[in-house]
Amino acid sequence: KAGVTQTPRYLIKTRGQQVTLSCSPISGHRSVSWYQQTPGQGLQFLFEYFSETQRNKGNFPGRFSGRQFSNSRSEMNVSTLELGDSALYLCASSLSGETNEKLFFGSGTQLSVL
Amino acid sequence: GQQVMQIPQYQHVQEGEDFTTYCNSSTTLSNIQWYKQRPGGHPVFLIQLVKSGEVKKQKRLTFQFGEAKKNSSLHITATQTTDVGTYFCAYPPGNTGKLIFGQGTTLQVKP
Repeated sequence: KAGVTQTPRYLIKTRGQQVTLSCSPISGHRSVSWYQQTPGQGLQFLFEYFSETQRNKGNFPGRFSGRQFSNSRSEMNVSTLELGDSALYLCASSLSGETNEKLFFGSGTQLSVL
Repeated sequence: GQQVMQIPQYQHVQEGEDFTTYCNSSTTLSNIQWYKQRPGGHPVFLIQLVKSGEVKKQKRLTFQFGEAKKNSSLHITATQTTDVGTYFCAYPPGNTGKLIFGQGTTLQVKP
């Protein structure tokens, strides 16, 4: 079974631009969560999608958005990029997002904002 | 709201020494999970604890969940250089779909 796939692996953008990151979960997994990881703040929860619906949301500004498609693939978008958005963005999938399920993480997208 | 503190933030040990990281919550947790992230890698699930007072072992790793389900620990006996990485506890604040991670403990092992 293929693992969680995230593309692209690296991105360099400039302030004010927007970016879209992609995540393909493990086959059969319907819950996809996104996390932002920075050295100072650790792993911060962005949002979680299940059956094309955003079910949970973290404390991030509206510039961060996402969606999930019928095949469970997910995208997240960051508009009007700021220097502080530089981070590793991790996607994780699980079967149904129940609290007793483990998360499977992708390798992440390293975003640098210049 | 629910707060989980993970300590210490960093730990440097000599190879062969033991290591322990702790997660302490202000409220009762339904369950707690532990993940390991190697340098340059992504978090990988280690274990889940659900029951009060639960103790689980994986080779040199021992995981405990407190009787009150408010704290948990991960203990590594006789560390090896392969144990290097950041260890995170993670817990669900609600019923579904959201897992919150502790701040992590970064372990360095000197050979």
